[in-house]
Amino acid sequence: QKEVEQDPGPLSVPEGAIVSLNCTYSNSAFQYFMWYRQYSRKGPELLMYTYSSGNKEDGRFTAQVDKSSKYISLFIRDSQPSDSATYLCAMKSGTGGGADGLTFGKGTHLIIQP
Amino acid sequence: GAVVSQHPSRVICKSGTSVKIECRSLDFQATTMFWYRQFPKQSLMLMATSNEGSKATYEQGVEKDKFLINHASLTLSTLTVTSAHPEDSSFYICSARAPLGLGETQYFGPGTRLLVL
Repeated sequence: QKEVEQDPGPLSVPEGAIVSLNCTYSNSAFQYFMWYRQYSRKGPELLMYTYSSGNKEDGRFTAQVDKSSKYISLFIRDSQPSDSATYLCAMKSGTGGGADGLTFGKGTHLIIQP
Repeated sequence: GAVVSQHPSRVICKSGTSVKIECRSLDFQATTMFWYRQFPKQSLMLMATSNEGSKATYEQGVEKDKFLINHASLTLSTLTVTSAHPEDSSFYICSARAPLGLGETQYFGPGTRLLVL
């Protein structure tokens, strides 16, 4: 079993729809959870950063973490064609030291149809 | 926000040559930088953790003599792929760990696409 599971898609939705992206993980030591957006042939761009369980909202984006289920989600409201990209979840167990490298999901390729 | 740059953005080289990739944090100091590799349609795989002023920590399966990492200052880390071969062709991305005031997460560079002929 991989440490982080993420459906690669593609996920295709019409413009304006609410998008739900998800990851599951197996390592209960993970405490920090991130969502990155990556356009083709570009480096990942940080979208959301959360610590432990709970919700966090930033504009059209909402991140949810359920540590008891080892499940994290990213919701995108009022989706736009410019949101079309690959969305990567990432997580880490602690701050500093050797535990600082991120473990990534494979990424979900999202397509917003105009 | 935190900005990380990489140079070059793209490099093509012959098999057997060495290639150096630079990673710079432009508006913050990063005591720790990370190097990742990404193959097509695959996730980012951590190669090594680069600490300023000390030796890099390599992930299991990554050859430290092939992928030389130097973190000479708080804003610069370099990755040198020595005696590159076609199987080293990949997208190499660095990240820098931002200080506490910026959320202590990682900000990524734009990546370097390496093609070894």
